[in-house]
Amino acid sequence: KNQVEQSPQSLIILEGKNCTLQCNYTVSPFSNLRWYKQDTGRGPVSLTIMTFSENTKSNGRYTATLDADTKQSSLHITASQLSDSASYICVVSPTNNAGNMLTFGGGTRLMVKP
Amino acid sequence: ETGVTQSPTHLIKTRGQQVTLRCSSQSGHNTVSWYQQALGQGPQFIFQYYREEENGRGNFPPRFSGLQFPNYSSELNVNALELDDSALYLCASREDRNYEQYFGPGTRLTVT
Repeated sequence: KNQVEQSPQSLIILEGKNCTLQCNYTVSPFSNLRWYKQDTGRGPVSLTIMTFSENTKSNGRYTATLDADTKQSSLHITASQLSDSASYICVVSPTNNAGNMLTFGGGTRLMVKP
Repeated sequence: ETGVTQSPTHLIKTRGQQVTLRCSSQSGHNTVSWYQQALGQGPQFIFQYYREEENGRGNFPPRFSGLQFPNYSSELNVNALELDDSALYLCASREDRNYEQYFGPGTRLTVT
């Protein structure tokens, strides 16, 4: 059973609008949580990385939050652009080994329409 | 771009055949991981190599094997291909003691 669940599976918004993507995880203990953006047919690109002690991390129009008590994270995108159309993947690293055995969520497919 | 390259971009193989996929990492990136991503799903961890030794493996059978070379390149080999092996195969590399992983663009493998 996948220990990282994302919602919604897909989302359509109008250009300029904001949106929030959700990630719930059961991986424990965990070292860090990451959000990646993946364009169709391309490799994922890192947006944010948060350790268990961080609550929020921003990267331009992307802001990630983390609640380690409830094991929830969110990715907020402000003033969406057409180029934001992609899959957004939540990834949890379950140990202190920074890269080994990363657990990926299934992703949220975002489509931004003009 | 991430500085990680993969070849080939696309590949079509027949069930039962063997395939080798290649990845070239950034200089200094001693750790490389390989992932399988089925259409519409998140990547699944196959295995990880550190300084030419496998040091972690996901839930994949032994017919998935790998090699890492001193020049920061690596290979993923799959024997006895099955239809379900059709997927995007991603490699990712990182420096020692650094969380950040850099993904390549992937190889799209189709097994017919």
